[in-house]
Amino acid sequence: GENVEQHPSTLSVQEGDSAVIKCTYSDSASNYFPWYKQELGKGPQLIIDIRSNVGEKKDQRIAVTLNKTAKHFSLHITETQPEDSAVYFCAASMVPMNTGFQKLVFGTGTRLLVSP
Amino acid sequence: GAGVSQTPSNKVTEKGKYVELRCDPISGHTALYWYRQSLGQGPEFLIYFQGTGAADDSGLPNDRFFAVRPEGSVSTLKIQRTERGDSAVYLCASSSRGGREAVNEQFFGPGTRLTVL
Repeated sequence: GENVEQHPSTLSVQEGDSAVIKCTYSDSASNYFPWYKQELGKGPQLIIDIRSNVGEKKDQRIAVTLNKTAKHFSLHITETQPEDSAVYFCAASMVPMNTGFQKLVFGTGTRLLVSP
Repeated sequence: GAGVSQTPSNKVTEKGKYVELRCDPISGHTALYWYRQSLGQGPEFLIYFQGTGAADDSGLPNDRFFAVRPEGSVSTLKIQRTERGDSAVYLCASSSRGGREAVNEQFFGPGTRLTVL
């Protein structure tokens, strides 16, 4: 089955700096790679996702890159703000066509702390 | 609008007891997922419903765990003979059905924190 590894486990940056979180996956059949942000006491919230037919996707200060050959994908946050502080999870899934069923396999999470 | 809700928010029980955890998905969402999140870990898939049927229950750890969704909306996760190792946050997520090549966002609830003493 799929296995997702995530690094680093903790990341401390100064406000305004960039933050990068990296994940690797094992199953070459995986074709969907979402990133979730989880704040204390809340459920994960999708912040960005990428399909395997795309190498990069950007949404304002957040971008994700995917290298299918190396089986790794990364989250990039620019101009970090204190409210970006949270735990971030990557995930991978093979999503069959016509169903949308996502059996997500999550990484172990990265605790991001942005200091003012 | 209303998101996914889960009740109770916290549940403390004794080893060997039976518990039920409830999930109210977003109205109109046909897909419903249960995950378990242990401390310091990512969510772990348990079961997926499309409508009333469990389309994939391969993540349920053993036969003490069971889930139902009788009317295709509210779902209940049932755990029999609870063990201390069952302590975790149980998360529910819902999404609308994906169309061809569509991958629809999973919206997560806040979870139920289960503590087995």
